[in-house]
Amino acid sequence: AQSVSQHNHHVILSEAASLELGCNYSYGGTVNLFWYVQYPGQHLQLLLKYFSGDPLVKGIKGFEAEFIKSKFSFNLRKPSVQWSDTAEYFCAVNNFGNEKLTFGTGTRLTIIP
Amino acid sequence: EAGVVQSPRYKIIEKKQPVAFWCNPISGHNTLYWYLQNLGQGPELLIRYENEEAVDDSQLPKDRFSAERLKGVDSTLKIQPAELGDSAVYLCASSLDPGTGNEQFFGPGTRLTVL
Repeated sequence: AQSVSQHNHHVILSEAASLELGCNYSYGGTVNLFWYVQYPGQHLQLLLKYFSGDPLVKGIKGFEAEFIKSKFSFNLRKPSVQWSDTAEYFCAVNNFGNEKLTFGTGTRLTIIP
Repeated sequence: EAGVVQSPRYKIIEKKQPVAFWCNPISGHNTLYWYLQNLGQGPELLIRYENEEAVDDSQLPKDRFSAERLKGVDSTLKIQPAELGDSAVYLCASSLDPGTGNEQFFGPGTRLTVL
């Protein structure tokens, strides 16, 4: 069964710092990859997704993620974070042809003004 | 466009009581999902509907949990009887079609506390 690991449980950064959140998955077949974000008091929303093509995908609010198949990774990055990026970030994966999304445990990001 | 609507937002019950959660997906979305999210964890799928058919309920604890999606629109998830360990957030999501690339839109969730 697919599993997703997010190694950073809580990350604290100052504004303008660069961000990288790790995500690794276990199954090596064809996968679709997602990053969801949950801002305080709000529901989960899609940040970006990868299906095929360019392994570097860009999402909303200046976020991007790079799919590295050989490392089973899909790390999330942002060059300069803002206080408004404080949220919980979830990586999710589904195997091609299977609707089931498997989520990681999430990374809580706190940005200090 | 209205998002996924869930009610109630919060529910506190005593153990062994029944409880039901309601979800109204985005209009036109054929696929509906119920997820369970425990504290400090990511969402875990309980059941997936395509229209009114439950196509994946392998993770649903059928001894106490049940779900229905009559007419392929609204859905209800029920727990009877509730146990202390059922305290969690129950999320509903919907997507337009059952393609694996389709974005799932999540509702705000129902936070259940079982005393």
